[in-house]
Amino acid sequence: SSELTQDPAVSVALGQTVRITCQGDSLTIYYASWYQQKPGQAPLLIIYGENNRPSGIPDRFSGSSSGNTASLTITGAQAEDEADYYCNSRHSSGGHYVFGAGTTVTVL
Amino acid sequence: QVQLVQSGAEMKTLGASVKISCKASGFTFPSSTMHWMRQAPGQSLEWLGWINAGNGNTKYSPNFQGRVTITRDTSASTAYMELRSLESKDTAVYFCARASSQCKSGTCSYFFDSWGQGTLVTVSS
Repeated sequence: SSELTQDPAVSVALGQTVRITCQGDSLTIYYASWYQQKPGQAPLLIIYGENNRPSGIPDRFSGSSSGNTASLTITGAQAEDEADYYCNSRHSSGGHYVFGAGTTVTVL
Repeated sequence: QVQLVQSGAEMKTLGASVKISCKASGFTFPSSTMHWMRQAPGQSLEWLGWINAGNGNTKYSPNFQGRVTITRDTSASTAYMELRSLESKDTAVYFCARASSQCKSGTCSYFFDSWGQGTLVTVSS
């Protein structure tokens, strides 16, 4: 079982906004990072730190955090945003790492 | 550009071992920390461990302690992950990734900014 909790699935209408959350004790110590994964592909880093996007990641992706919860928001969802999204952080007890179970985003 | 290229798919029998390679290019390998993850069919990502490519220090997931070994060859800019005593539940795609970190106002983020393409390991009887 994951020590980071994510909702299994969410849906969003094309062009609308969706928020994905990730909860865990480690998030009171470390920022989460977020990854997008499409079928048959490796995960892709989309958000890290307080709210940072690697080069090439559209600005419709944003991150935030409060207490033990990190959030990923897609503002103006596009069809190509349909994917699985995973959160990750360093474990609160030391040098190992944990992933959330993932959230499948469906764009209607 | 940063690139991580993994070795090809493997088919193994129960109880065997597998060793996967991850060749790095486009960055200074000895200054990096390399992680290994896996993903069973239809499942989430699972973290296995990391290696400091400079000094060879390692850290493993408690779930795999004793069964996994991560090594590196700095002359070849390559990291390796060996998993022993394979079971059917080890059937998965295995990924290597480069780690980075950022600290701001006393809070740090540790993240994986580049990933290999994945290596499918199939374990059967």
